[in-house]
Amino acid sequence: QVQLVESGGGVVQPGRSLRLSCAASGFTFSGYAMHWVRQAPGRGLEWVAVISYDGSNKYYTDSVKGRFTISRDNSKNTLYLQMNSLRAEDTAVYSCASGARNIDDPFDLWGLGTRVTVSS
Amino acid sequence: DIVMTQTPFSLPVTPGEPASISCRSSQSLLDTDDGSTYLDWYLQKPGQSPQLLIYSLSYRASGVPDRFSGSGSGSDFTLKISRVEAEDVGVYYCMQRLEFPFTFGPGTKVDVK
Repeated sequence: QVQLVESGGGVVQPGRSLRLSCAASGFTFSGYAMHWVRQAPGRGLEWVAVISYDGSNKYYTDSVKGRFTISRDNSKNTLYLQMNSLRAEDTAVYSCASGARNIDDPFDLWGLGTRVTVSS
Repeated sequence: DIVMTQTPFSLPVTPGEPASISCRSSQSLLDTDDGSTYLDWYLQKPGQSPQLLIYSLSYRASGVPDRFSGSGSGSDFTLKISRVEAEDVGVYYCMQRLEFPFTFGPGTKVDVK
């Protein structure tokens, strides 16, 4: 079964860190670029970051640059998002998504997401 | 960053009737190197993850009914549903992937009258 399953969300205080994971199954994970997309409560979709199939290229939205790091372990079929210096405005459901080999391909597979709440 | 806008914000529809959603970008999404227009449409049904409907302006994703079509050029785009069905309710988003950061429109909520 082709699927993406996120985990690692929770409630965290401002300034603290959290690492999200996205476990892939049913397809050749190592051949696909992977993205993180988030959705704040009651808001629309916001693209967060992308990593190439081999991890050599990464891009981020401006608001998370220097704070978030996207990475992957192809031996474990898992995508990660290390989130440091968290802010209230990072509160959202974080979903991973994949398209195809290229980092600029459309997203045809999405996970259900994991909720992150940043609050004191 | 490329700014995406959508109209209308909300769209009540009648099953069996057509519907259309507009999307505009702050700059052209045409890649003059390869001739592709990097504009996609997604539908997020209630309680579900988004699903890809249309990619690269006008190509239907796998399994998407042919009542959905995408059109437009440059920075002005339209998603059309020829005959709305009850299962089409949700929030529709356009997204540009011409350049990073990818950006989404604010969404159009479609519901049944």
